[in-house]
Amino acid sequence: DAGVIQSPRHEVTEMGQEVTLRCKPISGHDYLFWYRQTMMRGLELLIYFNNNVPIDDSGMPEDRFSAKMPNASFSTLKIQPSEPRDSAVYFCASSDYSGRRETQYFGPGTRLLVL
Amino acid sequence: AQKVTQAQTEISVVEKEDVTLDCVYETRDTTYYLFWYKQPPSGELVFLIRRNSFDEQNEISGRYSWNFQKSTSSFNFTITASQVVDSAVYFCALRSGSQGNLIFGKGTKLSVKP
Repeated sequence: DAGVIQSPRHEVTEMGQEVTLRCKPISGHDYLFWYRQTMMRGLELLIYFNNNVPIDDSGMPEDRFSAKMPNASFSTLKIQPSEPRDSAVYFCASSDYSGRRETQYFGPGTRLLVL
Repeated sequence: AQKVTQAQTEISVVEKEDVTLDCVYETRDTTYYLFWYKQPPSGELVFLIRRNSFDEQNEISGRYSWNFQKSTSSFNFTITASQVVDSAVYFCALRSGSQGNLIFGKGTKLSVKP
């Protein structure tokens, strides 16, 4: 399998612009997670989906962040408008919990820099 | 509340030394899963091992070994005969049975010098 695919790998944008991060989970996985990694806060959950339905979005910082999963093979994380404090590495991960495979596999991450 | 503590922020060793990375966790759930991930300088997160709360058997995989002790809520990771390629940040993580996401520790940065 190709693993979790994320795009873009790097994104540089200016404050106020809209940013869209994309994720393709491993085929057959029923859970999808978005995490953010910063030096100050480490790795933290933003939101996760089960069978395309958002289950826990308590980690989404504010209304500027939104996430969707229109089908089992695609998810987006959107930031509008972006701010310099959103600069971080954003990881997508997927897992097959219903198959009792408890491991989360991570994509390569998107390194976002907001100027 | 769930929590993972990796008290060692950075460790530096010389190649061929053994090194142990500590991980202490907190959870009230009786069913939970513990993980170690490696993050090399390239930035990806690489899965190393998973342990569930009902399996306290220690595990060895090549130069890597893990010691899970429920009595002390610890899941420590030992690298034997360390190599330069082991240089990375290592994360311990917890998933409690009642939730889907991982709770990560702050990570331990391991530097192995030749």
